[in-house]
Amino acid sequence: AQSVSQHNHHVILSEAASLELGCNYSYGGTVNLFWYVQYPGQHLQLLLKYFSGDPLVKGIKGFEAEFIKSKFSFNLRKPSVQWSDTAEYFCAVNAGNMLTFGGGTRLMVKP
Amino acid sequence: EPEVTQTPSHQVTQMGQEVILRCVPISNHLYFYWYRQILGQKVEFLVSFYNNEISEKSEIFDDQFSVERPDGSNFTLKIRSTKLEDSAMYFCASSALLAGVHEQYFGPGTRLTVT
Repeated sequence: AQSVSQHNHHVILSEAASLELGCNYSYGGTVNLFWYVQYPGQHLQLLLKYFSGDPLVKGIKGFEAEFIKSKFSFNLRKPSVQWSDTAEYFCAVNAGNMLTFGGGTRLMVKP
Repeated sequence: EPEVTQTPSHQVTQMGQEVILRCVPISNHLYFYWYRQILGQKVEFLVSFYNNEISEKSEIFDDQFSVERPDGSNFTLKIRSTKLEDSAMYFCASSALLAGVHEQYFGPGTRLTVT
């Protein structure tokens, strides 16, 4: 069975700081990888996804993630965060049609 | 932009009562899912549904749970006899199969509180 771990549970940054959130997964086969974001009081929204091809994927709102197969990682990055990026971020793996989520990282961006 | 909707947003029920959580998936999606998130814990997969039958389910999805697509638009999750530990946020999702991959879209969730 697949599993996903997110190393940082809480991250606090100042505006304009760079962001990197770690995600590692374990699964022996081909996976599809996702980052979802949940803004306060809102539902899970897809931020970006990796299916195949270029391991560096770009998503909405300036986010990107890099799939490193040898490290079983799919870290999320943003060069310069904004206060509006305050949210909880979830990494997820899809093998078949079921999503397995990591525990989430709560990001707070101070203005 | 089409979205998944869920009702009610918050449901309070007494232990042992039956609850039905409702979802309206995106209209051209054929795959439907339920997930739950107990407060402070991970989002966990419960069940997936396709072509009017369950395609996958987790260990959590025991005999107390059932899903149904009663008509062309709704997708429901029924908990037959609720327990305190069923208190959680329940998320519905739907997807289409594109190039062999499911991209799931989530609803806003129903917060279930069992007292």
